[in-house]
Amino acid sequence: GAVVSQHPSRVICKSGTSVKIECRSLDFQATTMFWYRQFPKQSLMLMATSNEGSKATYEQGVEKDKFLINHASLTLSTLTVTSAHPEDSSFYICSARGVGAGRDTQYFGPGTRLTVL
Amino acid sequence: GEDVEQSLFLSVREGDSSVINCTYTDSSSTYLYWYKQEPGAGLQLLTYIFSNMDMKQDQRLTVLLNKKDKHLSLRIADTQTGDSAIYFCAESTNTGNQFYFGTGTSLTVIP
Repeated sequence: GAVVSQHPSRVICKSGTSVKIECRSLDFQATTMFWYRQFPKQSLMLMATSNEGSKATYEQGVEKDKFLINHASLTLSTLTVTSAHPEDSSFYICSARGVGAGRDTQYFGPGTRLTVL
Repeated sequence: GEDVEQSLFLSVREGDSSVINCTYTDSSSTYLYWYKQEPGAGLQLLTYIFSNMDMKQDQRLTVLLNKKDKHLSLRIADTQTGDSAIYFCAESTNTGNQFYFGTGTSLTVIP
């Protein structure tokens, strides 16, 4: 099956710093990648959708200047949490959809746990 | 967004069957999924069903879909302690472009 990786799997940072999370599709080309956020004991909430080579589409209530998304290639999307604060602590999960992986399903990464002190 | 609802908790004894239910509101849903999430881990796709199907069976897993009532269920036969996890249902439309996740059901298997 299609494999999606995330790096890092866990990160702890100080308040005010920026953190970059990578999402890679390892054996297929992802024309679309999605970023989700999951708070403890809650469901996944879609933050944004990114298509390769174009600007990401953010869901209502998600600050695009705070959560910078770049999808520069067909196998890599990055989420940068800028000026992180403790309330940004969460589990961030990406998923990828694209050519060769089954157009109408998404493959999820293992998630990145962000803790902001 | 669409509403996808699940009961929050389910406890079963080891060896019994578990049935996890999910209701959704989007009548244009084409694909319905079940994911498993173990503590601190990402999502594992268990199975999915197309909206033109009523049932899909895969080893211990049976998915039932009642499209009229917009009701989806996941039955796990001979539930084991390793099945303890949170189970999410999700749905997407024809484009498969956006998933709507349910609230998750925490399954506890009692030895």
